[in-house]
Amino acid sequence: DTEVTQTPKHLVMGMTNKKSLKCEQHMGHRAMYWYKQKAKKPPELMFVYSYEKLSINESVPSRFSPECPNSSLLNLHLHALQPEDSALYLCASSQLAGTGYTGELFFGEGSRLTVL
Amino acid sequence: GEDVEQSLFLSVREGDSSVINCTYTDSSSTYLYWYKQEPGAGLQLLTYIFSNMDMKQDQRLTVLLNKKDKHLSLRIADTQTGDSAIYFCADKDDYKLSFGAGTTVTVRA
Repeated sequence: DTEVTQTPKHLVMGMTNKKSLKCEQHMGHRAMYWYKQKAKKPPELMFVYSYEKLSINESVPSRFSPECPNSSLLNLHLHALQPEDSALYLCASSQLAGTGYTGELFFGEGSRLTVL
Repeated sequence: GEDVEQSLFLSVREGDSSVINCTYTDSSSTYLYWYKQEPGAGLQLLTYIFSNMDMKQDQRLTVLLNKKDKHLSLRIADTQTGDSAIYFCADKDDYKLSFGAGTTVTVRA
């Protein structure tokens, strides 16, 4: 299984709503990532979890709250978002350094978020 | 992250070869990657190259690395309509994967 599964595929929410994006992988990867991608732009790193602990926060506003309940799951909780937060949110996972490490990230198909 | 630059657009005739170029600044990069993104989809890893290699071939894909000039290229042989997509080169600095702006490849009949 080399898949990263993200749900929902599409989400429309108002600025006062609270919603969550979910990500799951069963490759045994101990690093998981959230990226944000605007149209026609490269993905931008938001958060990195390693061994279920937050290791990198790229100065993301607090209206985005990540959570890693276990080594297979990664959530992104959304609250009081702005219209400019509308984007494709990509989850990824990777091995951490060790035997056979090549560092590549495996991406999910993304959750397309629209904030009204 | 480090700067990664690539040309923005490439138009190629079906059956011809495509060459996408990329330059990077981080000389400590151990691996360099090529990802493909089709419209409305996530990123698919196409191939990667270890920094002590000059070339890697994988079916229709050939990656060339010039470490001295920090130049990376991806050649797609016999380009097909299904190769139309955005192609991102990327390098890795610890946990952070830094992407180029992406090259939009359009395959014309």
